[in-house]
Amino acid sequence: DAKTTQPPSMDCAEGRAANLPCNHSTISGNEYVYWYRQIHSQGPQYIIHGLKNNETNEMASLIITEDRKSSTLILPHATLRDTAVYYCIVSFNDMRFGAGTRLTVKP
Amino acid sequence: KAGVTQTPRYLIKTRGQQVTLSCSPISGHRSVSWYQQTPGQGLQFLFEYFSETQRNKGNFPGRFSGRQFSNSRSEMNVSTLELGDSALYLCASSLGTVNTEAFFGQGTRLTVV
Repeated sequence: DAKTTQPPSMDCAEGRAANLPCNHSTISGNEYVYWYRQIHSQGPQYIIHGLKNNETNEMASLIITEDRKSSTLILPHATLRDTAVYYCIVSFNDMRFGAGTRLTVKP
Repeated sequence: KAGVTQTPRYLIKTRGQQVTLSCSPISGHRSVSWYQQTPGQGLQFLFEYFSETQRNKGNFPGRFSGRQFSNSRSEMNVSTLELGDSALYLCASSLGTVNTEAFFGQGTRLTVV
């Protein structure tokens, strides 16, 4: 079973930052936080992952709280193409997806 | 480099039949995981193979099975198909070690009639 809790849906204005929260209060010390997104029944796409430090790549930033019980994915300048279901997963070596957050970017 | 390839992309089968789906991982990847996605249940983990051995298993009946070959290609089989097995089946490949991301194929859409 998934070990994460995410809001079912969020809206974001195009060009603004999208901040997607995730709770993972039962995360173990060796589990990583991964984020994926899925656009309309395509295969999920990897976005970013981290253990305890904040991470940034060309797609997004990942902020993990000091106690590691929650994290936030930040899309700095959301575009219409970022409309998708975003999944937060905690994993050591197997990935169990929850229901995710359906992000809708609006013009 | 080539991505994860799943074949076939679409499949229609009749109840009671069996089906075999194939997944070719990214070159160098040793882990292949399989998922079932349905509108009602979302993305559910089926099993993971690493170096030809099943390493993790989800909560699915024994009708769902898989295997991995020495070249890391993987197949999953569903026997005695039921209408509820209609779904998008996704496979993901990774290096199989911790701290590595998985890459998904486009999936096989199975319809059972």
